[in-house]
Amino acid sequence: GIQVEQSPPDLILQEGANSTLRCNFSDSVNNLQWFHQNPWGQLINLFYIPSGTKQNGRLSATTVATERYSLLYISSSQTTDSGVYFCAVDTGGFKTIFGAGTRLFVKA
Amino acid sequence: DAGVIQSPRHEVTEMGQEVTLRCKPISGHDYLFWYRQTMMRGLELLIYFNNNVPIDDSGMPEDRFSAKMPNASFSTLKIQPSEPRDSAVYFCASSLSTGKTQYFGPGTRLLVL
Repeated sequence: GIQVEQSPPDLILQEGANSTLRCNFSDSVNNLQWFHQNPWGQLINLFYIPSGTKQNGRLSATTVATERYSLLYISSSQTTDSGVYFCAVDTGGFKTIFGAGTRLFVKA
Repeated sequence: DAGVIQSPRHEVTEMGQEVTLRCKPISGHDYLFWYRQTMMRGLELLIYFNNNVPIDDSGMPEDRFSAKMPNASFSTLKIQPSEPRDSAVYFCASSLSTGKTQYFGPGTRLLVL
């Protein structure tokens, strides 16, 4: 089956810093989503982005489907950005596969 | 909208007991997903429904697990009998169409002793 790899696995930032999270996938995908799981366990959808670029405030995402990767950019990070960021892909068999996540901690 | 609602939020039970988890999707959504999250295996899709019909249950770990969706506003995930290795957080999610944005409930944290 398709493999979803996220990097880095862990990231520590000083508040105000920028970061880039990466998601590589091993096969063609129909859809790709980015999620944030906050320290209380809630999963929030950030982007639905099978291709192209989207922006929402300090967050933006780019997916290059032909090269099988997606990037999540966080600018001017805040402590509330801490948590785990997941990439999830849908291969067309309608089965959503999650990556292992990037655990982010933003220091005040 | 209230979002996806799950109950109970926490469940502690003893090995061998039956456990029933409940989910109410966002009104109007026609896809419903059940996931399990553990430290060892991460987030795994167990089963999903479209218009109340189970479409793919290949992620259901074994016959002890079953899921139903009797109507568009309610689904259950049942474990019978439960085992300690079933301890995990179980999430329900819904969407308007598969592959589109999925909205997750708060999860049910299950501990089987």
